[in-house]
Amino acid sequence: EAQVTQNPRYLITVTGKKLTVTCSQNMNHEYMSWYRQDPGLGLRQIYYSMNVEVTDKGDVPEGYKVSRKEKRNFPLILESPSPNQTSLYFCASSGDRGYEQYFGPGTRLTVT
Amino acid sequence: EDQVTQSPEALRLQEGESSSLNCSYTVSGLRGLFWYRQDPGKGPEFLFTLYSAGEEKEKERLKATLTKKESFLHITAPKPEDSATYLCAVQEYSGYALNFGKGTSLLVTP
Repeated sequence: EAQVTQNPRYLITVTGKKLTVTCSQNMNHEYMSWYRQDPGLGLRQIYYSMNVEVTDKGDVPEGYKVSRKEKRNFPLILESPSPNQTSLYFCASSGDRGYEQYFGPGTRLTVT
Repeated sequence: EDQVTQSPEALRLQEGESSSLNCSYTVSGLRGLFWYRQDPGKGPEFLFTLYSAGEEKEKERLKATLTKKESFLHITAPKPEDSATYLCAVQEYSGYALNFGKGTSLLVTP
């Protein structure tokens, strides 16, 4: 089954404690992306990657890091999380430049 | 200024009552405009891609159209299962980032 998986699905952490949210896709897609979704602000792109070792900033990259060492994986790293990073995070992948994206189930992150 | 503006923010329809959702955009060169559907607690699900003014795409009760400044998602004779948030996104020729609108929350009542 074609899918994008994210782990963990729910995470509560404290300010400053480094964390990684993993994202994996089994569709051999080149394009992968991370979004955060907040009430009243909608879905905003954090980073995207056109292929292995190629990443670029989206609309709200501050406080986040990404890496793309393998085609199927695109982890999101918060090196020093802060409460304003409390949000619902989605990973997505696409076989063609960001068109027709497949989204993961989401990770709900709370930073206290 | 938002690149993508969706209206209305919320829409309530009776089953069978057709209507349209609007997505207006301000980009210098449009590579593609995308419509997604999002159910509560789930990730968005792709519906349509539109590339150029005049283009139309259809899927069941949904039809998406594109002009040079906006896109419409027409919903014909909606059913309660069409209730969801509908998101519009654009991608410019200058890059491969995507810019989403805030969405229209649609509720269809029996």
